[in-house]
Amino acid sequence: SQQGEEDPQALSIQEGENATMNCSYKTSINNLQWYRQNSGRGLVHLILIRSNEREKHSGRLRVTLDTSKKSSSLLITASRAADTASYFCATDLRQGAQKLVFGQGTRLTINP
Amino acid sequence: DGGITQSPKYLFRKEGQNVTLSCEQNLNHDAMYWYRQDPGQGLRLIYYSQIVNDFQKGDIAEGYSVSREKKESFPLTVTSAQKNPTAFYLCASSSDRANEKLFFGSGTQLSVL
Repeated sequence: SQQGEEDPQALSIQEGENATMNCSYKTSINNLQWYRQNSGRGLVHLILIRSNEREKHSGRLRVTLDTSKKSSSLLITASRAADTASYFCATDLRQGAQKLVFGQGTRLTINP
Repeated sequence: DGGITQSPKYLFRKEGQNVTLSCEQNLNHDAMYWYRQDPGQGLRLIYYSQIVNDFQKGDIAEGYSVSREKKESFPLTVTSAQKNPTAFYLCASSSDRANEKLFFGSGTQLSVL
């Protein structure tokens, strides 16, 4: 099964509300990253959090990491219609091949 | 304008045909990657290269081949051995081997005629 599992698979909220997406993983990591993908396009890197960090902010984005629970969350505050996209977490495994392992994503829809 | 360019945007393959997807980057990145994305799914790694003239298989390499003769270029060939090639293919690069911050191209949608 996937290293990163995201929850929920789909989320629909009203513009201005906050959106929270979660990612769980199975093995120890060096870092965890979040990416955004607009429909039919490539992924765009949003934020990286290292295994020794607990929280990170970037603009309206807040990411938390709990290594004891092997989970991370991405919070988007004051959502906008332009935030409509799929969001993926990706884990850089501490052991094994040099590669990122992507989750299946959360499809976020912001309703105007 | 720096970035990763994938071409073509849409590609159609006939049965028994090999097709090649192009990926070029002008970011001076060492590492390059090919991912496959099926509808509603995450990304699965096909091949990756951390340096010129070297590449490694990812999780789903069967039916695919790559080359890395130049730092800027990492073409992917989908061979006739790949029986279910219809998918969205994404190329990415990163500045070092540490898997931090991948830059992605805009993708190629491959369909079977």
